[in-house]
Formats: sequence, structure tokens, C-alpha cells
Amino acid sequence: KAGVTQTPRYLIKTRGQQVTLSCSPISGHRSVSWYQQTPGQGLQFLFEYFSETQRNKGNFPGRFSGRQFSNSRSEMNVSTLELGDSALYLCASSDVGGHTEAFFGQGTRLTVV
Amino acid sequence: AQSVTQLDSQVPVFEEAPVELRCNYSSSVSVYLFWYVQYPNQGLQLLLKYLSGSTLVESINGFEAEFNKSQTSFHLRKPSVHISDTAEYFCAVIHIQGAQKLVFGQGTRLTINP
Repeated sequence: KAGVTQTPRYLIKTRGQQVTLSCSPISGHRSVSWYQQTPGQGLQFLFEYFSETQRNKGNFPGRFSGRQFSNSRSEMNVSTLELGDSALYLCASSDVGGHTEAFFGQGTRLTVV
Repeated sequence: AQSVTQLDSQVPVFEEAPVELRCNYSSSVSVYLFWYVQYPNQGLQLLLKYLSGSTLVESINGFEAEFNKSQTSFHLRKPSVHISDTAEYFCAVIHIQGAQKLVFGQGTRLTINP
């Protein structure tokens, strides 16, 4: 089975722009979660999607949004980028049960200048 | 709510020496526990997990962790480390019947010196 695929791997954006990141989960996995990793805050949960519905949301401003398609692929969008949004964004997929193991992609490194 | 504390932000050790990375958690509900490893410029890889049963869990590359419910700890150990173990290690918990949301510790950077 192919692993979790995130695109692009690296991205440089300017303050005020918006960005869309993509995540393709492992085949058969229906749960996709997103995490933000920064040196200061560590790994923080953004949101989780299951069967095209957002099930859980972390404590992030409304500029951060996401969606999931019928093939379980997910996108996250950040609007009006700020310098503090520079981070590694990680996507994880899980099977239906979801709690026993999450498989992570290699991440998208977003730099906001 | 759950929280995870990794007591050491950095641990330097010599090659072939033993190592212990400490993890304590706080939760009012039952949780599953995990250790993830992150190599430079990579995502997270699951190292081992505790779901139920034996409190001592092992990984294929020689790491082990012991779940101690009374001390709310899940320390990671390896009797003899290799240069290739240099990485950042994250302890994480998830509520057994709650949100599909991992709560991570701040990470421990393990550096192996020759």
C-alpha cells in the first residue's frame, strides 16, 4: 500500500496570500487529520475529517479550514497568511476505528515571508 | 482534557549506551499511548503503542516502553543505541472513545555521539 502523500513538500508564500495543501490518505482510510508543527508550539491538532465531515476541530482561527472529498483526499486552506503560520503541516490518516494508529505523511513545509 | 509532558527536551548519549526518554501524561479518561519518531525533514513514524494487555511493549528496532498507570508514565528505553537512532521522539496520547485527536508532548531530541 502506498503511504500518506502530501503535496507540495515545500511552499513559500507572502503575507496576506492564501494557500491550499493537499493530502492523499492510505487507500481504505477514511479519517484524515491535520497537525501544525512549529518549534515554539510543537505539534498541535488542527482538525479531523471523516467521510467528508469535519468531526473535530482544534483551537485555531477561522483562517484555517479544510475539506474532504468522496475519495477521502483532503485539503486544508489557510487564508490571509501571517508570518506565524510558517510551519510544517502534517497530515495523518487512520482506518475506520481511528484510535489505534495514525499514519503520517512527510508534511508540507510552509514558509510565509 | 489530556496533556503530555516529556521531561527532557534533549538527551545526548554515546553510541552503544542505554537511553531512557521520559514521558508522563495527565488524563481524566482512559487513553491509548504512543511513541512516534521524526527524522530530519520527515513526518512522524509510529515507534510503538500501548492499547491494552501487557504493559511492556516493544518495537522491531530494539526500543521498548512500559505503561505505568499508577505513575501515569510511558517511558521509552533502549539498552544500546546506534547512530541511526538520532532523531526527535514524541510521546502522544489519544482518548480511547473520544475525538480522533492525538495530544503530543513537546518532543525529546536524542543525539548519539560516536
